[in-house]
Amino acid sequence: EAQVTQNPRYLITVTGKKLTVTCSQNMNHEYMSWYRQDPGLGLRQIYYSMNVEVTDKGDVPEGYKVSRKEKRNFPLILESPSPNQTSLYFCASSFTAGGLYEQYFGPGTRLTVT
Amino acid sequence: EDQVTQSPEALRLQEGESSSLNCSYTVSGLRGLFWYRQDPGKGPEFLFTLYSAGEEKEKERLKATLTKKESFLHITAPKPEDSATYLCAVQGFISNFGNEKLTFGTGTRLTIIP
Repeated sequence: EAQVTQNPRYLITVTGKKLTVTCSQNMNHEYMSWYRQDPGLGLRQIYYSMNVEVTDKGDVPEGYKVSRKEKRNFPLILESPSPNQTSLYFCASSFTAGGLYEQYFGPGTRLTVT
Repeated sequence: EDQVTQSPEALRLQEGESSSLNCSYTVSGLRGLFWYRQDPGKGPEFLFTLYSAGEEKEKERLKATLTKKESFLHITAPKPEDSATYLCAVQGFISNFGNEKLTFGTGTRLTIIP
């Protein structure tokens, strides 16, 4: 089954404790992206990757890091989480950069930072 | 900067009562306008892509239309299972060149009452 998976689905952590949210897709997609969703603000892009070892900032990259060492994986790293990073996070992928293809979204990770 | 505004924020309909959701957008060179459905606690699920003014697409009880300034999602004779949040997103060519970023609206929360 074609899908984007994220882990964990739910996470409660404390300020300053480093964490990683994993994202994996099994569709051989080149393009992957992270979004956060907050009430009244819609989905906003954090980082994106057009292919292995190619990443760039989205609209709200502060406080986040990413890496793309393999085509299927695109982890999101919060090195020192703060309460304003409490949000619902989605990973998405699409077939290729440069084309107009629909994005497939993962199930989401709900993060709470206290 | 690309912008998307959706209205109404919330809509309650009786089963079988048809209506339309609005998505107004501004974008520097439209590559595509997307409609997604999002169920509570889940990631957005792709519905339609519209590329140019005058285009229409249908899927079951849903029909999406596009003009140069807005898109409508028409829902005909809805059923309770159509209850969800419907998200509109645009992908600009000039502003997003090289990035498949979607600029999302905040969505319309649709409730169909049996």
